[in-house]
Parts: sequence; C-alpha cells; structure tokens
Amino acid sequence: EADIYQTPRYLVIGTGKKITLECSQTMGHDKMYWYQQDPGMELHLIHYSYGVNSTEKGDLSSESTVSRIRTEHFPLTLESARPSHTSQYLCASSDQESQETQYFGPGTRLLVL
Amino acid sequence: QKEVEQNSGPLSVPEGAIASLNCTYSDRGSQSFFWYRQYSGKSPELIMSIYSNGDKEDGRFTAQLNKASQYVSLLIRDSQPSDSATYLCAVRESSASKIIFGSGTRLSIRP
Repeated sequence: EADIYQTPRYLVIGTGKKITLECSQTMGHDKMYWYQQDPGMELHLIHYSYGVNSTEKGDLSSESTVSRIRTEHFPLTLESARPSHTSQYLCASSDQESQETQYFGPGTRLLVL
Repeated sequence: QKEVEQNSGPLSVPEGAIASLNCTYSDRGSQSFFWYRQYSGKSPELIMSIYSNGDKEDGRFTAQLNKASQYVSLLIRDSQPSDSATYLCAVRESSASKIIFGSGTRLSIRP
C-alpha cells in the first residue's frame, strides 16, 4: 500500500490568493511528480523532481512552482490563483527499486472563484 | 504522434465477458509497462506491471506485452460492473526515469 499524502483534499479559494498544495510520502522514494487533471481528461505532468534540490518543469506549462528541500516533501505553490487553475492536482512518487512504478496520492481538488 | 496511444472509448462490455484494452508506444527501447485503473474523481491505482514479452496473470487480469510490435494489452476476465473505470497505460522511457501515460480508455461494464 502506498503511503503518499496530499493536503488539503479540497480547496475553494478566491482569485489572487497564494496557495500551497502539500504532498508527502513515507516510502523514501527519490522521485516525485505533480500532475494536473481535469475531469474526464488525461493526466498532464507539470513538475517533477529526481531528488533533493532537483526540480524540473513537466510537459504542460504551469504557473505553479515547486520545491524539494526534503526527500519526503514536495509542495506545489500558486502565487496568484486564477479560475483557470481550477482542476485536480495529483502527486505521485517512485523509485528505481520498483522499476519506477508511480504511486499516487489521493489528490487535491482546487476551485478558484 | 503521441508516445503512448490508447483508444479513448468508451468501450462497452457485457458483464461476465472479457474486456480487452490495448496500448501502443513509440519508444522501442522501453522496458517497463504499467496499467493503472482510475475511477471517476479518484487517483490512479496500479493494477499490473509487465517487463518482459508474453503474458502476466494476476487474478482476473492478464497483461500482454509484445515489444517487437510495441504493443501492450490488458485483458479483464469475467468483467464486473465494478471494473467500470478509465484504464491508463503507462510506459517508462528508455532514456530517462520518466513514465509517459496514455490518455486512457473508458471501460463500461453493462449488467
């Protein structure tokens, strides 16, 4: 069973607010990922990290930023939320031992008014 | 051309029948392949992983891999209404540790 957590699970916030979505995993995985997914649509990779102090942008352009100061923690920040940021955000982690099998957190549903 | 291709569906299968889901990929050097199931509003969960040519069975699920044809499939025997979900095919790139997800196939099991 995967031990990867995301908070908050649901967030409703006004335009212009700064928000941070939290993701943490207790499996010691070196790689972590953030995906954005609209209802019924495909996953889009927005950020990933291969280890502490390593972050990369994904395939989908995003106005969010990430940091990786500790192995277990990979927060995603939106400096100024907009209605176009309304979506589900999924965090995942993997490691080489499991052939990079990705384990997903429960997701954060974000609604920006 | 997308790197991992799936038919978006919906694929409708009667209860008790075999559901067959297909996926093709473009990176010939890929070595690791995964099938995830995603219920509406939930996060993806791993069903099967397969790394070598042939079949791999786990309960009602069978994954099939043909690297020469760059083709991976998932068979679900004795389909149940609870199998209704979107199934995501994922392939690990040969050049990196990144996994590429297909857009998913929606499966509907009709009673």
